[in-house]
Amino acid sequence: GAVVSQHPSRVICKSGTSVKIECRSLDFQATTMFWYRQFPKKSLMLMATSNEGSKATYEQGVEKDKFLINHASLTLSTLTVTSAHPEDSSFYICSARVGPGNTEAFFGQGTRLTVV
Amino acid sequence: EDQVTQSPEALRLQEGESSSLNCSYTVSGLRGLFWYRQDPGKGPEFLFTLYSAGEEKEKERLKATLTKKESFLHITAPKPEDSATYLCAVSRAGYSTLTFGKGTMLLVSP
Repeated sequence: GAVVSQHPSRVICKSGTSVKIECRSLDFQATTMFWYRQFPKKSLMLMATSNEGSKATYEQGVEKDKFLINHASLTLSTLTVTSAHPEDSSFYICSARVGPGNTEAFFGQGTRLTVV
Repeated sequence: EDQVTQSPEALRLQEGESSSLNCSYTVSGLRGLFWYRQDPGKGPEFLFTLYSAGEEKEKERLKATLTKKESFLHITAPKPEDSATYLCAVSRAGYSTLTFGKGTMLLVSP
């Protein structure tokens, strides 16, 4: 299957700082990428959908000013958690679809964010 | 609103003991049903896509089936390395997003 690389896999940051997470499609061009958040023993919660060259679409209840998403190229999307607080600590996962007509989504390895 | 319910929440099997995981879904205009495997601290790994009732797909010890209301993931003679959380998700026609179930945590003991 297609490969999606997410970096970093783990990050610890101080409260009030910002942290950027990168999601890259390595062997295909991803017109659409998705960002999820996962709490312990819970399923994936979709945060936002990003389309290359346009603004991201955020799910209800997700603060767009706190979770900045940029999809500047067909192989890279970034999620920046701004002014992080301990409650933002979570497992963040990105995914990408191979093409608009393809329903299959492939996931990155995930990023464990800990805000202290 | 699309809904995906997986059962059981957790399943413990002995090595070689076959069983099935269930995924019940409610979606207006199913475009696809997906099975993923997730290991602790990792992102989901794609297993199967099913598009229409009656469809079946196999991969090693896993076989996924689909009806109009549910999907089953059959695990034949499981091994300890099959231990993981198995996630089911659906996509609706005209939408690019997936709706996930909460998953079934499978533990296979040697």
